[in-house]
Amino acid sequence: QQQVKQSPQSLIVQKGGISIINCAYENTAFDYFPWYQQFPGKGPALLIAIRPDVSEKKEGRFTISFNKSAKQFSLHIMDSQPGDSATYFCAASSGGGGADGLTFGKGTHLIIQP
Amino acid sequence: NAGVTQTPKFQVLKTGQSMTLQCAQDMNHNSMYWYRQDPGMGLRLIYYSASEGTTDKGEVPNGYNVSRLNKREFSLRLESAAPSQTSVYFCATGRGHTEAFFGQGTRLTVV
Repeated sequence: QQQVKQSPQSLIVQKGGISIINCAYENTAFDYFPWYQQFPGKGPALLIAIRPDVSEKKEGRFTISFNKSAKQFSLHIMDSQPGDSATYFCAASSGGGGADGLTFGKGTHLIIQP
Repeated sequence: NAGVTQTPKFQVLKTGQSMTLQCAQDMNHNSMYWYRQDPGMGLRLIYYSASEGTTDKGEVPNGYNVSRLNKREFSLRLESAAPSQTSVYFCATGRGHTEAFFGQGTRLTVV
């Protein structure tokens, strides 16, 4: 059972445009929703994260929008640049006193065309 | 300050051979994780360790064993490698169930 569904699998955006990646989750116990960015040959790196007590979080050109009732969250990259070309993963985790790791979406391969 | 260091970076094994992937962290985190990454599958949790001396199975533990040697080190062992274990393996550390910091990965090919 896939607990975090991510779409699209791949995305091509023109330089200066807005890139939008969507994720949906099923487990209502999830309380932490990060996005990771991965460049070829590197490990994933945390980009931005949100908790369900807020509906939006912005850091520079990157924004997470969160809809708790719909169990969906999305990443928006404003003014997309060629250097943003990478694979993006959404993820989710729950507390409950444990440390059982993040559940990841399958990833979105983003290409920003100059 | 290296963060999370994985060795080796690349490895080719023959079917049936064994090997151990090493991971060491200098971030003083209690939690450590092993993930595998396959095309179109995202990152899947193999095993995790919430603290020194404890380990638990993740989503895809079959064919693997782990050892939490101390707070810094968490190793992943393949006892009898199979072609289905060809993958990129990532070690990560974290604070509780939130932010995870990843190593650079080990690219393993089983022929």
